[in-house]
Amino acid sequence: SQKIEQNSEALNIQEGKTATLTCNYTNYSPAYLQWYRQDPGRGPVFLLLIRENEKEKRKERLKVTFDTTLKQSLFHITASQPADSATYLCACNAGNNRKLIWGLGTSLAVNP
Amino acid sequence: DAGITQSPRYKITETGRQVTLMCHQTWSHSYMFWYRQDLGHGLRLIYYSAAADITDKGEVPDGYVVSRSKTENFPLTLESATRSQTSVYFCASSELAGVGETQYFGPGTRLLVL
Repeated sequence: SQKIEQNSEALNIQEGKTATLTCNYTNYSPAYLQWYRQDPGRGPVFLLLIRENEKEKRKERLKVTFDTTLKQSLFHITASQPADSATYLCACNAGNNRKLIWGLGTSLAVNP
Repeated sequence: DAGITQSPRYKITETGRQVTLMCHQTWSHSYMFWYRQDLGHGLRLIYYSAAADITDKGEVPDGYVVSRSKTENFPLTLESATRSQTSVYFCASSELAGVGETQYFGPGTRLLVL
């Protein structure tokens, strides 16, 4: 079955460093992949979308890559700040419909 | 601009009771979704709706009922609540039907079934 996997272990990094989060998918080829941020007690908030024909997408300090050969997306936060601490969710389209398949998320803690 | 709101934000109920969770969006988005989020499972789709009077099952629809008589509202009803339905419920909407549409989430409803 279609599956999305993200690092289950929390990621702890020092302020100013680059955080890199991984999203792997198996058993299908999504047309696009989205990254969301979720803070405790809140709903997910959209950050970036990358399509299968795009290698890289950037938005301010955020960068997403999409490697269809490795079946993987990497999400980078450069010059990380304590305010970037949150859980980051990866989601891919489920085939040709509008539904999304979600990863479990990776918790990021940026230490001052 | 309210965006997408959910009510109640917190709910405690007992096994066997009927519970309705409300979702309202002010954008006139076509698509609306109901998810539940549990530790170890992530976000799982319960039901979704493409437009008023059009609904379809998601991954975990059993025990839930939805309706969409108006574009802006998408209530979720637990017909006879069970403890396994204790969860955080999120409503979301998206503007269009095209592939790659962003979903906008509400703040969630935390439901405890005793």
